[in-house]
Amino acid sequence: QVQLVESGGGVVQPGRSLRLSCAASGFIFSSYAMHWVRQAPGKGLEWVAVISYDGSNKYHADSVKGRFTISRDNSKHTLDLQMNSLRPEDTAVYYCAKAQLPLKIVAPADPWGQGTLVTVSS
Amino acid sequence: SYELTQPPSVSVSPGQTARITCSGDALPKKYAYWYQQKSGQAPVLVMYEDSKRPYDIPERFSGSSSGTMATLTISGAQVEDEAGYYCFSTDSSGYHWVFGGGTKLTVL
Repeated sequence: QVQLVESGGGVVQPGRSLRLSCAASGFIFSSYAMHWVRQAPGKGLEWVAVISYDGSNKYHADSVKGRFTISRDNSKHTLDLQMNSLRPEDTAVYYCAKAQLPLKIVAPADPWGQGTLVTVSS
Repeated sequence: SYELTQPPSVSVSPGQTARITCSGDALPKKYAYWYQQKSGQAPVLVMYEDSKRPYDIPERFSGSSSGTMATLTISGAQVEDEAGYYCFSTDSSGYHWVFGGGTKLTVL
């Protein structure tokens, strides 16, 4: 079955960088777009970014554009999120998720990993 | 930026029908998707392409969309359906996704 395991979360000071990773298994990773979604404590879901199955197309939410970069390594079955210039408002649980349908970037996130917590605080 | 609007809360008694709405200007041309999130858990897709139900989601869940509003309906809501529900769709470009603010469904 599909497994998505996020790692790399932790406590980081404002202005610093952090790199999240998501290890994928149980499906043909190179055939599916992948999403990052976050959820601040006690708040709703916020879409962060999506990357096409081959990595050629990437789209980021306006709130993170220019600071965060999504990437993938199909040979290693991993999805990454490079987060620079972190702000307190970036504090959230970050989820990686597989696109529902293969070879389509316009496909919703399903299923999701269990998330990794990022706390931005001095 | 594009927004999807949901009511913050909906409350029904067990066995009643719960309807959760989501409004957005691009919905006439873009599909709506719905997620259920129970406390402490990752979200689960309960409806896709407006009205299609994943095989493992109970039949009491249904979806529809008309004009700028999509609706998730739970017919005969159960206590176990108590959760947060989020609509999800794209803006007119089709590549930037957005969630609605979420609706807390209370069944008691």
